[in-house]
Amino acid sequence: DGGITQSPKYLFRKEGQNVTLSCEQNLNHDAMYWYRQDPGQGLRLIYYSQIVNDFQKGDIAEGYSVSREKKESFPLTVTSAQKNPTAFYLCASSPLTGVPDNEQFFGPGTRLTVL
Amino acid sequence: GDSVTQMEGPVTLSEEAFLTINCTYTATGYPSLFWYVQYPGEGLQLLLKATKADDKGSNKGFEATYRKETTSFHLEKGSVQVSDSAVYFCALSDMKTSYDKVIFGPGTSLSVIP
Repeated sequence: DGGITQSPKYLFRKEGQNVTLSCEQNLNHDAMYWYRQDPGQGLRLIYYSQIVNDFQKGDIAEGYSVSREKKESFPLTVTSAQKNPTAFYLCASSPLTGVPDNEQFFGPGTRLTVL
Repeated sequence: GDSVTQMEGPVTLSEEAFLTINCTYTATGYPSLFWYVQYPGEGLQLLLKATKADDKGSNKGFEATYRKETTSFHLEKGSVQVSDSAVYFCALSDMKTSYDKVIFGPGTSLSVIP
């Protein structure tokens, strides 16, 4: 069964701690994305990657870091520099780069709460 | 830059009512347009899409037509069900200005009551 998995589903963090959110896909997709969703708001792009070992900042990259060492994995680290990290985090992937109908496939999300 | 505007919610309808969620966009190039749906506590799923002017996307009774002249992509369904309660996002992908990025609207929350 192909898809995107995110873990954990719920995550609690103390202030000042770094935390890493996992995202894995077995769809053989080239591009992967991280979004942040706050209550009543749309999705804001944090980082995206079109190919292994390369990634670009999105609209709200400050306080976050990513890596793309394998095609199927795109972990997101929320650092202590992120001032307001409590949010719902969504990972997505898309099959090809440079195509007009860039459909994205989403994971189930991780809800991060800072205590 | 590119942007997507949706009607503000929340929208509350009775079962079997007609649904319209308005979406308009601003884009430099010729974008592809999408509607995504998010059920409570889940990620987004693609509902339908259209890649050029006058195309109609349809799925699960939902429809939307790509109108270049009015830069719109309104979502419609003739008879909603309780199971349609979700948040609906209009989105665009514009190869000319936002390579491989999708721009999402703020979302419209729909509640359908029996």
